[in-house]
Amino acid sequence: AQSVTQLDSQVPVFEEAPVELRCNYSSSVSVYLFWYVQYPNQGLQLLLKYLSGSTLVKGINGFEAEFNKSQTSFHLRKPSVHISDTAEYFCAGSLTGNQFYFGTGTSLTVIP
Amino acid sequence: DTEVTQTPKHLVMGMTNKKSLKCEQHMGHRAMYWYKQKAKKPPELMFVYSYEKLSINESVPSRFSPECPNSSLLNLHLHALQPEDSALYLCASSQPPGSQGYTFGSGTRLTVV
Repeated sequence: AQSVTQLDSQVPVFEEAPVELRCNYSSSVSVYLFWYVQYPNQGLQLLLKYLSGSTLVKGINGFEAEFNKSQTSFHLRKPSVHISDTAEYFCAGSLTGNQFYFGTGTSLTVIP
Repeated sequence: DTEVTQTPKHLVMGMTNKKSLKCEQHMGHRAMYWYKQKAKKPPELMFVYSYEKLSINESVPSRFSPECPNSSLLNLHLHALQPEDSALYLCASSQPPGSQGYTFGSGTRLTVV
């Protein structure tokens, strides 16, 4: 069963505008939550992670995400995007850490 | 060293060939993973090694054979592949159980002809 759902397959946004990439998780199987970024022809790079504690998580490249237990969401945000943020973004969840469940991905395109 | 290194970066092989993909990390991680990623799709877990022992095999066909010679190395031996096996093969590592997140390599782009 799918434990992580990314609601938007493609998100176009103008340069310097804010962006939110949505992710919902299944509370029965996701304890650890992550966002990864994949640039063309590259592997995945960890942006940020939520394990416990503060619900607002800050990551690299100016991204942040908020863990919302009541809405079972873990949306990724950036207040001002750059051309270089154009990439594929994957939300991932894990119950034990041994197996990650990846969402289907969101393709972010930053328009000049 | 905070990298996972995969070689080769690109590989073209015929359906009767035997080849190997290699993965190396020197972060002291004791869990290593193989993922397969098709274009525009999320990575799919193939194998998990924990403390050099195979702990998860996601029902992968036997034409894919993993090997973990030591805690820093992970190989994926390929034999008699099909064209549909063409994909990006990603290696990752972590400290068990992986709850801190994985470090991924850049992948091997495999084309089976």
